[in-house]
Amino acid sequence: GQNIDQPTEMTATEGAIVQINCTYQTSGFNGLFWYQQHAGEAPTFLSYNVLDGLEEKGRFSSFLSRSKGYSYLLLKELQMKDSASYLCAVREKITDKLIFGTGTRLQVFP
Amino acid sequence: DGGITQSPKYLFRKEGQNVTLSCEQNLNHDAMYWYRQDPGQGLRLIYYSQIVNDFQKGDIAEGYSVSREKKESFPLTVTSAQKNPTAFYLCASRKTGFGDAGELFFGEGSRLTVL
Repeated sequence: GQNIDQPTEMTATEGAIVQINCTYQTSGFNGLFWYQQHAGEAPTFLSYNVLDGLEEKGRFSSFLSRSKGYSYLLLKELQMKDSASYLCAVREKITDKLIFGTGTRLQVFP
Repeated sequence: DGGITQSPKYLFRKEGQNVTLSCEQNLNHDAMYWYRQDPGQGLRLIYYSQIVNDFQKGDIAEGYSVSREKKESFPLTVTSAQKNPTAFYLCASRKTGFGDAGELFFGEGSRLTVL
């Protein structure tokens, strides 16, 4: 089976750095995705990791350790518009299904 | 512009009625997916299709049905057998192929309320 865990809620201050963790267990791993979802809207793609290490994309970075079943999303220079839910998702190798965690709701305060 | 279109955006239904949600994409993607999202929850997979005329059950397929007669279209029917259908429904598609991240592209969603 599969299991994806993320913290339910986090808060941070504008201009700060925040790290959102994701741990997963899956029967076969074929990539990990991070999505951003604002309330009432569809998720939008942020990042993809399939090999160990850090992927950087502007203010956002994502890290993966396959041996530990662990990823994090790092958001730098936080802005108010970064207040959203952040969803971690894992693709299963055999079924090709993309399984989502319950998401982490981030609130950025001035 | 390419994208995924879901309709209707809002839908109200009486108990006991079937309802069909439309999903059309012009991205030339092979794979299409339907997810359900409840308040404060993540996305749960209902059905997915990797190729025309073929589809598989996801984790919560009971009470739902789909078809994939055309590459561009993947409609979802919420039947009266679905016990708790009020939710936000998201359709997505992705490119499949070696070397592609294959991230999902989502439609804007359909919010179904059962009265």
